[in-house]
Amino acid sequence: EVQLVESGGGLVQPGGSLRLSCAASGFTFSSYWMHWVRQAPGKGLVWVSRINGDGSSTSYADSVKGRFTISRDNAKNTLYLQMNSLRGEDTAMYYCARGVGATGVGYWGQGTLVTVSS
Amino acid sequence: QTVVTQEPSLTVSPGGTVTLTCASSTGAVTSGYYPNWFQQKPGQAPRALIYSTDNKHSWTPARFSGSLLGGKGALTLSGVQPEDEAEYYCLLYYGGVWVFGGGTKLTVL
Repeated sequence: EVQLVESGGGLVQPGGSLRLSCAASGFTFSSYWMHWVRQAPGKGLVWVSRINGDGSSTSYADSVKGRFTISRDNAKNTLYLQMNSLRGEDTAMYYCARGVGATGVGYWGQGTLVTVSS
Repeated sequence: QTVVTQEPSLTVSPGGTVTLTCASSTGAVTSGYYPNWFQQKPGQAPRALIYSTDNKHSWTPARFSGSLLGGKGALTLSGVQPEDEAEYYCLLYYGGVWVFGGGTKLTVL
């Protein structure tokens, strides 16, 4: 059974940093693109970032480029999102999701909540 | 800035058919945008329904289908069930980055 479990969310002050993790199980982690998607309270889904299977290719939404870094540790079956220079507008539920090849998104985790506030 | 547009809300009767669409500010949506569709119910994580225009996941009910329609991505629900009431999001690929639509709130009434 495919499982994606996010962790690392919490309350952080503006300008602060946080690292999210997504523990994957039930599939060959290194074979899949992985994505981060966020959703502000009461708002729609926003794609944040993706990374290919060996970590050699990444891309980001303009809103987070230069502040967020996606990475993965295939030995630990874990996806990461390092978030720096956090702003109030980064407050959201953050979901990790498994890609379907390079052309889609399939399984989703349950999310971890990030709140940026003083 | 690329904008992906969906109908804000639609209403359908149980047993009816409804089509949700997904338009791109850059022009016609083609298969190269790999339209994906997701369903989200209140308090739940999104669930994937369709990828690469018309491909279903193993868990996608047969009444859901994806297509291209009039230069837009489309999700059609045939024989709508009460449990299909939800928010639906499309996702389009723009050469390395992905952009979600704003979502369509589907009411089954």
